[in-house]
Amino acid sequence: GAGVSQSPRYKVAKRGQDVALRCDPISGHVSLFWYQQALGQGPEFLTYFQNEAQLDKSGLPSDRFFAERPEGSVSTLKIQRTQQEDSAVYLCASSLDKGRRPRETQYFGPGTRLLVL
Amino acid sequence: KNQVEQSPQSLIILEGKNCTLQCNYTVSPFSNLRWYKQDTGRGPVSLTIMTFSENTKSNGRYTATLDADTKQSSLHITASQLSDSASYICVVSRGNTGKLIFGQGTTLQVKP
Repeated sequence: GAGVSQSPRYKVAKRGQDVALRCDPISGHVSLFWYQQALGQGPEFLTYFQNEAQLDKSGLPSDRFFAERPEGSVSTLKIQRTQQEDSAVYLCASSLDKGRRPRETQYFGPGTRLLVL
Repeated sequence: KNQVEQSPQSLIILEGKNCTLQCNYTVSPFSNLRWYKQDTGRGPVSLTIMTFSENTKSNGRYTATLDADTKQSSLHITASQLSDSASYICVVSRGNTGKLIFGQGTTLQVKP
């Protein structure tokens, strides 16, 4: 596709339910990032992949959050036993090369808006 | 403590007017500073990227400035259009990690 796509765009979950959020990066992009954006705030880093390797997961808020990118393309962010404070927009971004170079541009998807009731 | 602070939090201007958004940061070590535009319900889109040696960068009607000594940046929008209504986010990349630290954004509304 032409850009980063994410699905679903909206997800309503009951507290305690598990959810899985999908990210399709731009074809050929090596690096993939997940961010969490609370209402009225800027995105906050969750985790970073280079191909299939998860090089940085320091931003994951708890062990209920798990991300994978098994074949180095599509990525899934899974949240187990969701809680109300997990309600946020989850953004995925990809970059062409090793995403940590100074001028590397990250291309963002539209995000998945998660609401936990 | 927010390492990237933006002001104002929100701004309303009339179509055709200019405006300037501010960003102060304490992120260290500094690698580069980026401005992103985020339309409602969409992901952020990059406007400019500046390293410490660059003090100005333009992208059409958007001009960003950077003062690495005072750790301040601004984004100036000239001859605003209705389509400029969005959130503008200042982002600082930290050192060799490349980790991006986002500000909370300035919400701009351009009225006809």
